[in-house]
Amino acid sequence: AQSVTQLGSHVSVSEGALVLLRCNYSSSVPPYLFWYVQYPNQGLQLLLKYTTGATLVKGINGFEAEFKKSETSFHLTKPSAHMSDAAEYFCAVSDAGGTSYGKLTFGQGTILTVHP
Amino acid sequence: KAGVTQTPRYLIKTRGQQVTLSCSPISGHRSVSWYQQTPGQGLQFLFEYFSETQRNKGNFPGRFSGRQFSNSRSEMNVSTLELGDSALYLCASSLDSFFYEQYFGPGTRLTVT
Repeated sequence: AQSVTQLGSHVSVSEGALVLLRCNYSSSVPPYLFWYVQYPNQGLQLLLKYTTGATLVKGINGFEAEFKKSETSFHLTKPSAHMSDAAEYFCAVSDAGGTSYGKLTFGQGTILTVHP
Repeated sequence: KAGVTQTPRYLIKTRGQQVTLSCSPISGHRSVSWYQQTPGQGLQFLFEYFSETQRNKGNFPGRFSGRQFSNSRSEMNVSTLELGDSALYLCASSLDSFFYEQYFGPGTRLTVT
């Protein structure tokens, strides 16, 4: 079974500082990986995805993530945090298996706080 | 393109009642997935429909059901509501499954009293 672990339920950074949100996954087959962001009282917005090909993936709003198969990780980074980045972030995995139609398995989420 | 829409946005029901939530996917998307989001359990997969067929189902009791119409719109129903069903219910649409990204609606906030 797939699983996703996000290290750190809360991360706090200063405006302009590096953002690093950690995600490790467990999957029996090559995974498809996603990062989503959720603002209060809203749905989830896709930041970026990895399916195949280049392991460094760039997304919206300056975020990027690197797929490291050997470490089973897909950490999310942004060089310089902005106040508007404050939100909850979710890492998710989808298996390319026959029983996984339409199912994303999510981590528990990381709340990012950005201080002025 | 219009995004995923969900109605209603907020709902208050009493224990024992039933509720129907609606989801309209992005035009052209044939896959619709439903998720339940709670503070304790996080985001959990309920089921997925594609071309009016349920292809996958999560680990939820039979009180949770859904359907999809020929225009890809989907509904989910929860019967005999329990206090623990209070949650944000999210619908997501996709061209298909696996490597295609899912686009989420704003959710329906269900409160059971």
